[in-house]
Amino acid sequence: GESVGLHLPTLSVQEGDNSIINCAYSNSASDYFIWYKQESGKGPQFIIDIRSNMDKRQGQRVTVLLNKTVKHLSLQIAATQPGDSAVYFCAELRRGGADGLTFGKGTHLIIQP
Amino acid sequence: DADVTQTPRNRITKTGKRIMLECSQTKGHDRMYWYRQDPGLGLRLIYYSFDVKDINKGEISDGYSVSRQAQAKFSLSLESAIPNQTALYFCATSDFIGETQYFGPGTRLLVL
Repeated sequence: GESVGLHLPTLSVQEGDNSIINCAYSNSASDYFIWYKQESGKGPQFIIDIRSNMDKRQGQRVTVLLNKTVKHLSLQIAATQPGDSAVYFCAELRRGGADGLTFGKGTHLIIQP
Repeated sequence: DADVTQTPRNRITKTGKRIMLECSQTKGHDRMYWYRQDPGLGLRLIYYSFDVKDINKGEISDGYSVSRQAQAKFSLSLESAIPNQTALYFCATSDFIGETQYFGPGTRLLVL
């Protein structure tokens, strides 16, 4: 079946370093992608999105890269802070998709002091 | 996000009981969604609604039903709860298809 997945269930980084969280998707019809952050006990929170007609989009300390050739999405967090510790999900919306978002399984980002 | 609220936040029930989870939003969005989250499986779509008269099944609708009472309210019911429906349930809203979805704080459900 078609799915959106993440390469690593857990990523540990040193505070102050840059973090890169990866996501692979299999549906070439997907044209909209979102990264969500979920802290313990809370609902997913929007971080950044990107449409399929873009390769890169930047926000505050975050950058999303989209490689449609290999169906790969990544989230880069600059100068990782303790507050960045959370589970990060990528999600895709398929073209004409009326059935909500398809989520990956999530990567738990752990910040080492 | 305080714009999307869910009640109750935690619920323990027994097998065979009927329960309802409620979602309210003040964002003025037309579209509302119910997701289920299980460890290691991410979020999966149960039902979604584009407006008060529109209800659609998601990926895992069996055993669930929904009601869109108003633009701001979307409830999820488990007609006869079973243990494998133990999960974290999230409501979300969005303005347009393909636009950002805003999630509520979640309801943790335990079915004994």
